[in-house]
Amino acid sequence: GDSVTQMEGPVTLSEEAFLTINCTYTATGYPSLFWYVQYPGEGLQLLLKATKADDKGSNKGFEATYRKETTSFHLEKGSVQVSDSAVYFCALSDSGNTPLVFGKGTRLSVIA
Amino acid sequence: ETGVTQTPRHLVMGMTNKKSLKCEQHLGHNAMYWYKQSAKKPLELMFVYNFKEQTENNSVPSRFSPECPNSSHLFLHLHTLQPEDSALYLCASSQDPAISGGVNEQFFGPGTRLTVL
Repeated sequence: GDSVTQMEGPVTLSEEAFLTINCTYTATGYPSLFWYVQYPGEGLQLLLKATKADDKGSNKGFEATYRKETTSFHLEKGSVQVSDSAVYFCALSDSGNTPLVFGKGTRLSVIA
Repeated sequence: ETGVTQTPRHLVMGMTNKKSLKCEQHLGHNAMYWYKQSAKKPLELMFVYNFKEQTENNSVPSRFSPECPNSSHLFLHLHTLQPEDSALYLCASSQDPAISGGVNEQFFGPGTRLTVL
């Protein structure tokens, strides 16, 4: 079945550091890929998405490129802020009406 | 109200109580979901409703009973829960992928933090 694997956390970075959170996937079809973010005490919010190979999703300085050849969708940000501290979830949606498949989440802590 | 709302935001209940969680979406979506998020565990899909019909039940114990009276409202009825059921319960909604171009983008509510004593 479909699955998503993302790097184990927690990840601790200093403010203005470069961020990479790795995500790889296994899917039978041609999935859409998502990154969701969960700030403390809140639900999940869609951060960015990509629906086909080589698409780049971007939002709030975060970027991720859909790489079909490596089945990856790594999340990057050039300069993190304390306010980026949250849990980040990679997810995929295969064709049709199947529910999202989520990774286990990666907790990011950014310190000043 | 916009987006997906959930009430209550916090709930403490005893093992013999009966309570209900409510979710409402104001996005015109056709599908609604219940997830359970426990500490140090992956997000668990519990139930899926499409056009008010339950299409998925991920082996959830019968002490959790969902109800979807219409496409905008989703309830989770709780009865004789166990302490290990304490978790954050998240509701989400999405448009039918056949309408949204095949993309199942889900929108989440803020969750209900449930504590079972």
